[in-house]
Amino acid sequence: DTAVSQTPKYLVTQMGNDKSIKCEQNLGHDTMYWYKQDSKKFLKIMFSYNNKELIINETVPNRFSPKSPDKAHLNLHINSLELGDSAVYFCASSPNPAGGRDTQYFGPGTRLTVL
Amino acid sequence: GNSVTQMEGPVTLSEEAFLTINCTYTATGYPSLFWYVQYPGEGLQLLLKATKADDKGSNKGFEATYRKETTSFHLEKGSVQVSDSAVYFCALYYNQFYFGTGTSLTVIP
Repeated sequence: DTAVSQTPKYLVTQMGNDKSIKCEQNLGHDTMYWYKQDSKKFLKIMFSYNNKELIINETVPNRFSPKSPDKAHLNLHINSLELGDSAVYFCASSPNPAGGRDTQYFGPGTRLTVL
Repeated sequence: GNSVTQMEGPVTLSEEAFLTINCTYTATGYPSLFWYVQYPGEGLQLLLKATKADDKGSNKGFEATYRKETTSFHLEKGSVQVSDSAVYFCALYYNQFYFGTGTSLTVIP
């Protein structure tokens, strides 16, 4: 059983297009995250949602918009894609604050390539 | 601010060699410290963690000790295997995660 799943695994698209990446977790966790890993493997948090509410929003272009329809899903929509958006995007989840947000489970990643 | 600095790779070792990957941190409070491992084509997996000074985290033969006096959390393993080839990330948690840049390890038979 996959704990944190992402679709698609690979995404190749042209500059200027709009695309979405989906994330689902079946762990019953309250908190979900999006991270961006660049070509040098540097991993940085982008967003965090707790029970469908945005709690962390790092300095990310407003072309990136997360959407959480329910606490098991956190999708990432990207408008007007740019070359610099090429990266691997990881979704993660963690239990409720009492359980510790420092225990995070990562999805397998989505490799986005913008041509 | 909070940040993590880890040794740059890539690191190439022969099987059964001793491994050390250095990690130091800067934090405004008292963070928890972690090592995550990323195998090729996969997401990050928690390898070990320590939540307070002098704690030692260990898993699968890997160890790291939380050293507050030197602000370090170096990863060690006494005898590496080919299956340990992966990218290793040091991280701290203080309200959110802060990751190091990752160290790629290749173990050759």
